[in-house]
Amino acid sequence: EPEVTQTPSHQVTQMGQEVILRCVPISNHLYFYWYRQILGQKVEFLVSFYNNEISEKSEIFDDQFSVERPDGSNFTLKIRSTKLEDSAMYFCASSFLTGGPYGYTFGSGTRLTVV
Amino acid sequence: QKEVEQNSGPLSVPEGAIASLNCTYSDRGSQSFFWYRQYSGKSPELIMSIYSNGDKEDGRFTAQLNKASQYVSLLIRDSQPSDSATYLCAVNRDDKIIFGKGTRLHILP
Repeated sequence: EPEVTQTPSHQVTQMGQEVILRCVPISNHLYFYWYRQILGQKVEFLVSFYNNEISEKSEIFDDQFSVERPDGSNFTLKIRSTKLEDSAMYFCASSFLTGGPYGYTFGSGTRLTVV
Repeated sequence: QKEVEQNSGPLSVPEGAIASLNCTYSDRGSQSFFWYRQYSGKSPELIMSIYSNGDKEDGRFTAQLNKASQYVSLLIRDSQPSDSATYLCAVNRDDKIIFGKGTRLHILP
């Protein structure tokens, strides 16, 4: 069964450092998403991406965040200057259609720890 | 008003019984509704989707949707210990899915 692949599974970084989280969506999917889940809290939408541009972003997705699809297969989330409160599980997801009529397939996540 | 509301639980159900999970949503424009299962430390896994009023059955799972009441539910029949997890209700809004906080389900052996 096709799956969304995320690397690394765990990243520890110092406050103020830049991190890049990587995702390989399912190959025939057209819509890509990043979500985050702070420990014990709900899964929160960060950003959606279609046709090489952001289609929607949440209030969480401020100027410190950026996304890119550099080579037609990878989908990355960059946090420019990490803060302690960025510590969370980050999930990449993809779907064939927007709005998720068939739901999204999630990757296994990257646990980001900012120290 | 929270967009997707669920009772956080925990909901404890004896093995073999029916587990009933409920969810309400605020946006009447939502058209697609989902139930995801999330084990501790793992990613959400889609188990059911529903778009029309009424019931949708898939194996031991039945999703129920009532758009007039803005209510979605999930029934798990013959509950198994492996069903112990957090169940996330999710609805589409614009071009994204938004999640409730989830209900922790504990199946008692």
